[in-house]
Amino acid sequence: QVQLVQSGAEIKKPGASVRVSCKASGYTFSTYVISWVRQAPGQGLEWMGCISVSHGYTKLAQKFQGRVTMTTETSTDTAYMELRSLTSGDTAIYYCAREEISARFDYWGQGTLVTVSS
Amino acid sequence: QSVLTQPPSVSGAPGQRVTISCTGSSSNIGAGYDVQWYQQLPESAPKLLMYANNKRPSGVPDRFSGSRSGTSASLAITGLQAEDEADYYCQSYDSSLDGSRVFGGGTKLTVL
Repeated sequence: QVQLVQSGAEIKKPGASVRVSCKASGYTFSTYVISWVRQAPGQGLEWMGCISVSHGYTKLAQKFQGRVTMTTETSTDTAYMELRSLTSGDTAIYYCAREEISARFDYWGQGTLVTVSS
Repeated sequence: QSVLTQPPSVSGAPGQRVTISCTGSSSNIGAGYDVQWYQQLPESAPKLLMYANNKRPSGVPDRFSGSRSGTSASLAITGLQAEDEADYYCQSYDSSLDGSRVFGGGTKLTVL
């Protein structure tokens, strides 16, 4: 069965960086796109960007350009999302999701809480 | 401000029918891009509930149905059950944002 298992919760100080991992299993990792979506406390879902595992091509939402790097490691079927220059506004649960045709997210990771606090 | 607009909340009694609307524009829903719906139970990750406007993934009850018309889409839930109480999000693709995926702001469904 398809599973996306994310790394554990993080607490970071303002200005720091965080890297969240997402390990895939149960399907051929290289044939899909991985998207990252975040959810601030009590707020809705916000798409951050995606990466084509087979090509390494990334597409980032405008507000995250220059601050987010998405990568994959096909040897371990793992995707990574790094967010830099953290502020309190980045406190959120970060989800990875497998992206199917027509930009639908058919499987989701369990989420990783990132807390930014001095 | 979300690109797709949803009502913040809807409610209904058990057994009733409720609908959740999702209004977009000519660069997303109106351009013919598929609409997806996700259900997020409390303290859980979102789950794909409906894809390609009106298709249910395996395991989703047929009490849930979706439709798209013009620049809007809607999710209908019939025979409302207590376990349907959750947040619901619509999602699509937007060509004006250079290929961004976009979500609605979410709708909280309360089962009275």
